[in-house]
Amino acid sequence: DVKVTQSSRYLVKRTGEKVFLECVQDMDHENMFWYRQDPGLGLRLIYFSYDVKMKEKGDIPEGYSVSREKKERFSLILESASTNQTSMYLCASSLQYKQPQHFGDGTRLSIL
Amino acid sequence: DQQVKQNSPSLSVQEGRISILNCDYTNSMFDYFLWYKKYPAEGPTFLISISSIKDKNEDGRFTVFLNKSAKHLSLHIVPSQPGDSAVYFCAASRTGGTSYGKLTFGQGTILTVHP
Repeated sequence: DVKVTQSSRYLVKRTGEKVFLECVQDMDHENMFWYRQDPGLGLRLIYFSYDVKMKEKGDIPEGYSVSREKKERFSLILESASTNQTSMYLCASSLQYKQPQHFGDGTRLSIL
Repeated sequence: DQQVKQNSPSLSVQEGRISILNCDYTNSMFDYFLWYKKYPAEGPTFLISISSIKDKNEDGRFTVFLNKSAKHLSLHIVPSQPGDSAVYFCAASRTGGTSYGKLTFGQGTILTVHP
């Protein structure tokens, strides 16, 4: 069965901190994605990766970066956390472009 | 610029009746559409999809209809069950070129099914 695992369910950090969110998939999927979910806005794409070391900006990349050193792992980095980055962060993976994405359970991040 | 819109924030339905969730899109390049269901404190789970070459796809109690000329899709759940109560997101994708299956999501509709 498909499994996408996000390292933390809940995280509290302070403004200005560098924050790492980790995501691992066990399905040998090519594509991995990071979204944030906010009330009334749905899910918005931050960054995605279609291969190891390859990445592309999504719709709201400002203030974020990503790293994909191994196929199964995709990290989201908040370079200098700010309060407007308080959100639910969701990681997803997919095998091919016409296959549904499979999501992790999310990380609820609070920036104080 | 919201390319995928779900104009109903919430929907309330009686158990056993039909639930109809609606979604509109503006980008005519979208050719693959999906519905996801999300419970609180869980990630979205894939429900059903449809390609633009079809106008209907069924899977058990779930049917998705696509009207390309109106740029509109809908999800029908028949019969509705209390366990269907969740947030439903529609999503759209352009499958050609270098899209890599990027999804654009709507804002979500909260479905409540009353016993």
